[in-house]
Amino acid sequence: QLQESGSGLVKPSQTLSLTCAVSGGSIISGAYSLTWIRQTPGKGLEWIGHMSHTGATHYNPSLQSRLTISVDKPKNEFSLTLNSVTAADTAVYFCAQGHYDTSGNLWFDPWGQGTLVSVSS
Amino acid sequence: DIQMTQSPSSVPASVGDRVTITCRASRSISTYLNWYQKKPGKAPQCLIYGASNMQSGVPSRFSGSGSGTDFTLTISSLQPEDFATYYCQQSYTLPLTFGGGTRVEIK
Repeated sequence: QLQESGSGLVKPSQTLSLTCAVSGGSIISGAYSLTWIRQTPGKGLEWIGHMSHTGATHYNPSLQSRLTISVDKPKNEFSLTLNSVTAADTAVYFCAQGHYDTSGNLWFDPWGQGTLVSVSS
Repeated sequence: DIQMTQSPSSVPASVGDRVTITCRASRSISTYLNWYQKKPGKAPQCLIYGASNMQSGVPSRFSGSGSGTDFTLTISSLQPEDFATYYCQQSYTLPLTFGGGTRVEIK
């Protein structure tokens, strides 16, 4: 199971920080990706980025300059940091565990329940 | 970026109906296509990965097909718990992208 936690209200220009705690299994099992996805009313589901089992990070180009995804293996959790937020970053943020099949297709399951982050002064 | 277009955006249906949802990619994505079910306040759940492979624990009334640019998700006999929003997602290339969603609602 995955559970998001972090700041629910962030002021414009400040930093959004979220953590995803993974329970019921190791965070680093097999070929995996540790992924963040968000949902906004206007843009639907948007892939934010992920860290793969190789340690490589992959970010959405639209967010790359403001984004960091990191992992804390001993704590079995991973984190998202998004700098210089604006109202456009208001969304429900999901963490998810990604899996690669034999062809390299990447799919996500399970997901966390999601946490609403509002950007407002 | 690869654009994923789902149709219809909503489908009114009754229990027992056969429901088909379409997802079209803006260019060929082979079978790098996954389907998710999302209910309000709940975590999304993967139903189908790799266009046609059923995720463990998913009822057999769900099936997926297609390759290239055109894909379908079919619910053979709609059950009450299937009223939800369904999304497709491509992993052929970064950035990963999702369709806009199809809401299956009670007729």
